[in-house]
Amino acid sequence: GESVGLHLPTLSVQEGDNSIINCAYSNSASDYFIWYKQESGKGPQFIIDIRSNMDKRQGQRVTVLLNKTVKHLSLQIAATQPGDSAVYFCAENPSDNFNKFYFGSGTKLNVKP
Amino acid sequence: DTAVSQTPKYLVTQMGNDKSIKCEQNLGHDTMYWYKQDSKKFLKIMFSYNNKELIINETVPNRFSPKSPDKAHLNLHINSLELGDSAVYFCASSQLAGGSEAFFGQGTRLTVV
Repeated sequence: GESVGLHLPTLSVQEGDNSIINCAYSNSASDYFIWYKQESGKGPQFIIDIRSNMDKRQGQRVTVLLNKTVKHLSLQIAATQPGDSAVYFCAENPSDNFNKFYFGSGTKLNVKP
Repeated sequence: DTAVSQTPKYLVTQMGNDKSIKCEQNLGHDTMYWYKQDSKKFLKIMFSYNNKELIINETVPNRFSPKSPDKAHLNLHINSLELGDSAVYFCASSQLAGGSEAFFGQGTRLTVV
């Protein structure tokens, strides 16, 4: 199997607990952010997005928090389920180079039954 | 029904060969991308096309040549393949050139031997 996961920060949580995945971004000109979920053997899948004029956005079981002061983004997953096990990426879209998405390095979430 | 589809899913080839990866999106999006994901899961943009025109070429070796025959297709041709080209290549599309989510294909795992 792959050893890729060993290079990724890993978060292990118990099924039913809440998960918090953090991301630091570097470009203060970034004004649009996305969280993606990537399951093994698949492409990244959109979870939730947030624009820089907001500091919180909620979806179904997920919440994204944006702190522009410290350039920090977090993804909170409520009542984590085994199906949430995946690698999670934050992506930033800078307003001064809006044609690009810059991806963070990813966090592997392991949900223990 | 697949929104962004790329072929082939797996590609094993020898050094020095030339190969192509095809990508099609049926979402009616104007912008398409190629991303490379390395063994550490790091996702990096390679190219971005908007309405068949190249808008980003992210310092990719000129052995890589994208071609967009129409706005629904963005193919990637790679000449003189090298061992370091081994990676997973993802095609993606978005409605806008920035500020909207990108939809990813399932990826093409390229292995150069």
